[in-house]
Amino acid sequence: AQSVTQPDIHITVSEGASLELRCNYSYGATPYLFWYVQSPGQGLQLLLKYFSGDTLVQGIKGFEAEFKRSQSSFNLRKPSVHWSDAAEYFCAVGAASNTGKLIFGQGTTLQVKP
Amino acid sequence: DADVTQTPRNRITKTGKRIMLECSQTKGHDRMYWYRQDPGLGLRLIYYSFDVKDINKGEISDGYSVSRQAQAKFSLSLESAIPNQTALYFCATSDPAFGGAYNEQFFGPGTRLTVL
Repeated sequence: AQSVTQPDIHITVSEGASLELRCNYSYGATPYLFWYVQSPGQGLQLLLKYFSGDTLVQGIKGFEAEFKRSQSSFNLRKPSVHWSDAAEYFCAVGAASNTGKLIFGQGTTLQVKP
Repeated sequence: DADVTQTPRNRITKTGKRIMLECSQTKGHDRMYWYRQDPGLGLRLIYYSFDVKDINKGEISDGYSVSRQAQAKFSLSLESAIPNQTALYFCATSDPAFGGAYNEQFFGPGTRLTVL
């Protein structure tokens, strides 16, 4: 069965430090992968997505993610974190059928220290 | 104006009451989804709809029902609310034909529901 695992429930980084949020997926074929961000009191906003092609994907707000098939991973990175990046981040994989369903990970809460 | 809106944004109710959460979209998308978010569990799919006549159960549909009144409107009902339905509820839309590409979804701001 398809699944998504975000091993880190909570991460704290200092402002200006680099960030990597981990995401591992279980999927039989080439996955459709997404990272969403949820700021406090807000809905989910798409940061970036991977469908095919270049395995390094650029997103909004200076984020990028790298698809590694051999490791079944799609980790999110940012070279320098800003206080406004404090939020909850969700990794998701598109379901195998053409239903448009997404399977979400548990989420990682990012806290940014001044 | 927001493309996907949800009403109410917050609701407190009592056990046994019937509750309806509403979702409207102006994106012109055919597909609509209802999720609930619980701490540590991420988002889980309750129901989804491909059009007015096509409604499907998600992974946690027990205790919920939905109505797709029009392409733009998708409502979620709790017939008899119970405390473990306390959660944040999200509506989302998608449609590959509109350049959304595959399974990309667009989310509303959420409804925080508390059942006492």
